[in-house]
Amino acid sequence: NAGVTQTPKFRILKIGQSMTLQCTQDMNHNYMYWYRQDPGMGLKLIYYSVGAGITDKGEVPNGYNVSRSTTEDFPLRLELAAPSQTSVYFCATNGVGAEAFFGQGTRLTVV
Amino acid sequence: AQSVTQLGSHVSVSEGALVLLRCNYSSSVPPYLFWYVQYPNQGLQLLLKYTSAATLVKGINGFEAEFKKSETSFHLTKPSAHMSDAAEYFCAVRTGGGSEKLVFGKGMKLTVNP
Repeated sequence: NAGVTQTPKFRILKIGQSMTLQCTQDMNHNYMYWYRQDPGMGLKLIYYSVGAGITDKGEVPNGYNVSRSTTEDFPLRLELAAPSQTSVYFCATNGVGAEAFFGQGTRLTVV
Repeated sequence: AQSVTQLGSHVSVSEGALVLLRCNYSSSVPPYLFWYVQYPNQGLQLLLKYTSAATLVKGINGFEAEFKKSETSFHLTKPSAHMSDAAEYFCAVRTGGGSEKLVFGKGMKLTVNP
């Protein structure tokens, strides 16, 4: 029972490089989210989606993009990596009125 | 807009002592409230949730929380701490309005001393 799968688990990027963080869920949930976690700051919402083809900005969307072509996948794109994007990224999903299920996270370092 | 406040960032207790982690919420509508736990280098795992049924909610690993509307609080407690409870704990509120988004507190790191 996979739940929410994130890849990669770790990545080091150079300033200006781009990458895509992958998130896949097998729970058939409509709602999906990307959060970033920084020490002492809790989790901040980057982008979210309420279903395939529908995405919207969260609290800290600058420097990121997302797409949602299928129910299962919700990739997060960093176009021009900056040191401020060094963080741990979590993907999550939930059904209506239900608790959120989280992936194991991607630890990203931008140098 | 809904929000939660977790005052402080770190709490330390002795093994066997009471665990009390505080969470206060702000919401213009009846809230859905959650406590999540994060063990080192892992994702977040649901401990318990309040969804307007019973005000005293029991969760996993012996944790419970009481919803108090008059105090706008949802504090997490466990009567007797165990070494395995050492982790970071997050309170969260669901915003509603069709997006089902969660807004998190800043987290509280729990240390359990032998």
